[in-house]
Amino acid sequence: NAGVMQNPRHLVRRRGQEARLRCSPMKGHSHVYWYRQLPEEGLKFMVYLQKENIIDESGMPKERFSAEFPKEGPSILRIQQVVRGDSAAYFCASSPVGQGGMNTEAFFGQGTRLTVV
Amino acid sequence: AQTVTQSQPEMSVQEAETVTLSCTYDTSESNYYLFWYKQPPSRQMILVIRQEAYKQQNATENRFSVNFQKAAKSFSLKISDSQLGDTAMYFCAFMKPDNYQLIWGAGTKLIIKP
Repeated sequence: NAGVMQNPRHLVRRRGQEARLRCSPMKGHSHVYWYRQLPEEGLKFMVYLQKENIIDESGMPKERFSAEFPKEGPSILRIQQVVRGDSAAYFCASSPVGQGGMNTEAFFGQGTRLTVV
Repeated sequence: AQTVTQSQPEMSVQEAETVTLSCTYDTSESNYYLFWYKQPPSRQMILVIRQEAYKQQNATENRFSVNFQKAAKSFSLKISDSQLGDTAMYFCAFMKPDNYQLIWGAGTKLIIKP
């Protein structure tokens, strides 16, 4: 059973371009979480999705950021018109059911490091 | 709002020694979950150990154990017989029950020297 797969591992974008980050959850997992890690900081929650539904996007910046988790295919985190401050590592995690306790551990991918130049 | 604080940005010990990483948190909740995650250079986030706040007994996983002091809101990680492969960033994290958001500390960089 492959783990959570994120691609690309590294992404370089010029200011103003779009960044698309992909996350394929573990087989059988229908819940996906995106976190952002700024340099020298811990992870910060961004969004929680189930198949075809956004459950909680309270951690997402109001503009330029969007996320989806379609019925088929990976979850996508999309950042439009990137700025230098978007440079960070973006982590995806998945769980088989909603992570609300000890029996629903979320498994993390290796992250995508976005660099905006 | 919950906060998690890791006061040691970096620690370094010799192989086979014991090392303790500290973590404090702030919450008004009576029940919650606490986690320690390891992030090696590969950047994979790996769950090391977890603790339920309503359990008095400290969690243990092989060489890893925690000292959970609920009244003091402290959750330290002890690594015994440290190995070179333990070199990594270690993050403490908090989660409310029936929630899914992990609240993370800033991390401690642990270096195990041969």
